[in-house]
Amino acid sequence: SQQGEEDPQALSIQEGENATMNCSYKTSINNLQWYRQNSGRGLVHLILIRSNEREKHSGRLRVTLDTSKKSSSLLITASRAADTASYFCATGPLNAGGTSYGKLTFGQGTILTVHP
Amino acid sequence: GAVVSQHPSWVICKSGTSVKIECRSLDFQATTMFWYRQFPKQSLMLMATSNEGSKATYEQGVEKDKFLINHASLTLSTLTVTSAHPEDSSFYICSAPRAPGPYEQYFGPGTRLTVT
Repeated sequence: SQQGEEDPQALSIQEGENATMNCSYKTSINNLQWYRQNSGRGLVHLILIRSNEREKHSGRLRVTLDTSKKSSSLLITASRAADTASYFCATGPLNAGGTSYGKLTFGQGTILTVHP
Repeated sequence: GAVVSQHPSWVICKSGTSVKIECRSLDFQATTMFWYRQFPKQSLMLMATSNEGSKATYEQGVEKDKFLINHASLTLSTLTVTSAHPEDSSFYICSAPRAPGPYEQYFGPGTRLTVT
């Protein structure tokens, strides 16, 4: 089942601007990840933030996690046309073993369009 | 980095026929792989967990007799859509956990299935 909700569903910005996407989830988690998907392609792992972390950076990406609000945000700074893609958050459950091994629950995604 | 491949990348079949999709981990061993289905402009829905040497674990609502999964080796999992119908048309994506894991995933490029 989908537990993540993302907003906005679609975001259109100009090159050079920052893009912020939000994700909310419902259950307790071990970690939260963000993935990118270009149209009709597989997913690429961007960044993982653990439940005991509040903020993480990777290049132009900044992820925050607020476990009290069960929410996360992904900020892409100085966006480029090549950043145009769908972005999904995914959560890993607290229990890594048994039938939960490696399972991810994906959010609905945000379609980002960066205009040159 | 590790790569997961899928074959074929797209397939068109007639209603009532069966289609096999392969998912391979190219440079690492994967005792567990995951199969997702994605409808246009929607998120990924986990269908099943493929376990090497044992039966697959299916998510609620997924018909195991319709979506046959075989994880015959540490680098290959196959998904067979049996007696396909137009409503099975979708984008099928596999993934495999990557180190340090288990939640970070390498995703295949996906297989577009169209049933006519």
